[in-house]
Amino acid sequence: DAGVTQSPTHLIKTRGQQVTLRCSPKSGHDTVSWYQQALGQGPQFIFQYYEEEERQRGNFPDRFSGHQFPNYSSELNVNALLLGDSALYLCASSLGYGYTFGSGTRLTVV
Amino acid sequence: SQKIEQNSEALNIQEGKTATLTCNYTNYSPAYLQWYRQDPGRGPVFLLLIRENEKEKRKERLKVTFDTTLKQSLFHITASQPADSATYLCALDFRDNYGQNFVFGPGTRLSVLP
Repeated sequence: DAGVTQSPTHLIKTRGQQVTLRCSPKSGHDTVSWYQQALGQGPQFIFQYYEEEERQRGNFPDRFSGHQFPNYSSELNVNALLLGDSALYLCASSLGYGYTFGSGTRLTVV
Repeated sequence: SQKIEQNSEALNIQEGKTATLTCNYTNYSPAYLQWYRQDPGRGPVFLLLIRENEKEKRKERLKVTFDTTLKQSLFHITASQPADSATYLCALDFRDNYGQNFVFGPGTRLSVLP
């Protein structure tokens, strides 16, 4: 049973560019949450998707947007990249209590 | 807003000893609290969940306590091993009218020395 799959694993982008990160949830999970984790810090909640809609959102600007597809997979889009967007982006899926996390996408903005 | 603190950024202990990690929170009353382990470059891995009406939960060498009066959870690893070296995160559930997500603490980096 595959867990949460994220792609790509690593990515380097230039300031001002746009990026799309992808997540396939664990089989049977219908809720996908995205987190940003800067080096040495805990994950910060970006938003959560359920039934193809954004259900909750953390304190992130509108440059961060997402989407959930009918098969529950999800995308995170970040526009107008800033140097401060460099981080590990984590996707977590759930069905009730407890999250299953992917290994993340390491985004470096130069 | 919710604030979560974990006792120290890093904790070094000798192999075989008990490691005790602390999670304190303010401005919220979570229905439950979770502990995760995170290895470098990997996503967090779920370890234990404890509900607000539970005082203690155990799983093998792990023990979690939850004191809603003190707004504190303690996470213990007994008979620690070098393989237990990792960053440990506590997470509180946050609920509003639209759903539920988890707020994470900054983590404590545990090093078990042989």
